[in-house]
Amino acid sequence: GESVGLHLPTLSVQEGDNSIINCAYSNSASDYFIWYKQESGKGPQFIIDIRSNMDKRQGQRVTVLLNKTVKHLSLQIAATQPGDSAVYFCAETSYGGSQGNLIFGKGTKLSVKP
Amino acid sequence: KAGVTQTPRYLIKTRGQQVTLSCSPISGHRSVSWYQQTPGQGLQFLFEYFSETQRNKGNFPGRFSGRQFSNSRSEMNVSTLELGDSALYLCASSLAISAGANVLTFGAGSRLTVL
Repeated sequence: GESVGLHLPTLSVQEGDNSIINCAYSNSASDYFIWYKQESGKGPQFIIDIRSNMDKRQGQRVTVLLNKTVKHLSLQIAATQPGDSAVYFCAETSYGGSQGNLIFGKGTKLSVKP
Repeated sequence: KAGVTQTPRYLIKTRGQQVTLSCSPISGHRSVSWYQQTPGQGLQFLFEYFSETQRNKGNFPGRFSGRQFSNSRSEMNVSTLELGDSALYLCASSLAISAGANVLTFGAGSRLTVL
C-alpha cells in the first residue's frame, strides 16, 4: 500500500488493548478539533470531533479528550482491533470558519498486533 | 451513495511538464477542497471552491491552480512540475464551506511522482 508518512511516531498495541493517541495543537484560538483516520491507500476518514466547550466526547469505541489549558488532544480507542491499524491525524480550526483553515497534525501511526 | 472520486489514481510525470487532476464530489456536495500530502510536510491546504468560485487559497505558488465546474466537479492543475511536487493530492467535498457543520469527505487521492 501507499506510505502516508515515513517518519511518523508509531504506537504499537496488542489486539484487544486500549490505544491512546496524543496530539498537541498549536493555536490557542482554535475551538474545533477533529480526528481523522487514514488507512493505507485511502484518504483520511472522519472519526470524531469536539468543540472547545466540551472536555470529552464519546463515539463508538472512541473517546476524544480535550485539555485547553495545555493545548492537548487525545484519542482513545477501546478494544483495539486489527482494522484500527492506520495513521491518525488531529486537526484544529475555528468552528464555522472555512474548511481551508483546518490545520492538520503530522499524524501517528497505529499498528495493532494480532 | 458514491464517495469522492479522484482520477487518475497514479501518474508519473517529468520535470517541466504539467498535470491535471480531477475530483468528483459526493452528489449534492457543493464545496471541494484540495490538499497536498507529503511525508515531510503532512497535509497542506491548497484551495477551496464553492459554487464555482475559489473561496480560500493556501500558501502555494501560482503554478498550482484549480477550478470548479457547475456540476461541482473540480480540477487542479500544476504547471512546470518540480521534483518537490511529488505527493499525494487529496480532494475533499462537503455540503458547504464552513467547518463544524459540514464534515469533509476525502477521496483516495492522486499519487503524483515527478521524475
